[in-house]
Amino acid sequence: GAGVSQSPSNKVTEKGKDVELRCDPISGHTALYWYRQSLGQGLEFLIYFQGNSAPDKSGLPSDRFSAERTGGSVSTLTIQRTQQEDSAVYLCASSLVGPLAGGTFTDTQYFGPGTRLTVL
Amino acid sequence: AQTVTQSQPEMSVQEAETVTLSCTYDTSENNYYLFWYKQPPSRQMILVIRQEAYKQQNATENRFSVNFQKAAKSFSLKISDSQLGDTAMYFCAFQGGGADGLTFGKGTHLIIQP
Repeated sequence: GAGVSQSPSNKVTEKGKDVELRCDPISGHTALYWYRQSLGQGLEFLIYFQGNSAPDKSGLPSDRFSAERTGGSVSTLTIQRTQQEDSAVYLCASSLVGPLAGGTFTDTQYFGPGTRLTVL
Repeated sequence: AQTVTQSQPEMSVQEAETVTLSCTYDTSENNYYLFWYKQPPSRQMILVIRQEAYKQQNATENRFSVNFQKAAKSFSLKISDSQLGDTAMYFCAFQGGGADGLTFGKGTHLIIQP
């Protein structure tokens, strides 16, 4: 079946503009994750959704970042007033179920191709 | 907080050779999961292999196997009979018991020479 898809593939924007990044998870996957990959910071976890809710938003780098998921499927990551340090590849992943408390179970995450964001 | 360390930024081997990529991690948890992901230039992260910490037996997937040493907190990846298509960045990742995502190492750039 289809994998995780992300759009756009590449996005170039000017400093101060808002951007929206979209993620379509694998059909039936209840858990969805956002990561950021940059040269300086490597791969960073941003936020995780179980269904439509995000238990912990503390991984988002600043209050300019927000994410939502509607209908238990598509998710959007919004960056307001973009800064040059926001330039990175934003990766989305999904899994059938999310991690259970106590580490008793976790499902493999399958990644999308990412969105490369360049802020000029 | 967990940390994952990959001490080899880059490795290069000849085609058909065996290569081992190192990964160590630090955690106070007892139940967790470890992964190796491959990221070719296409940017797509691909799962290579997965290990549950409660399992003593090392995971294997065709030419890929791991050496999981729980007490030493070590999780190395062995690639046998390496192929040109194995050229990629390889990331070691940790998943604990919280509502968090994966914690990744900095990656090892593996180059397979013809």
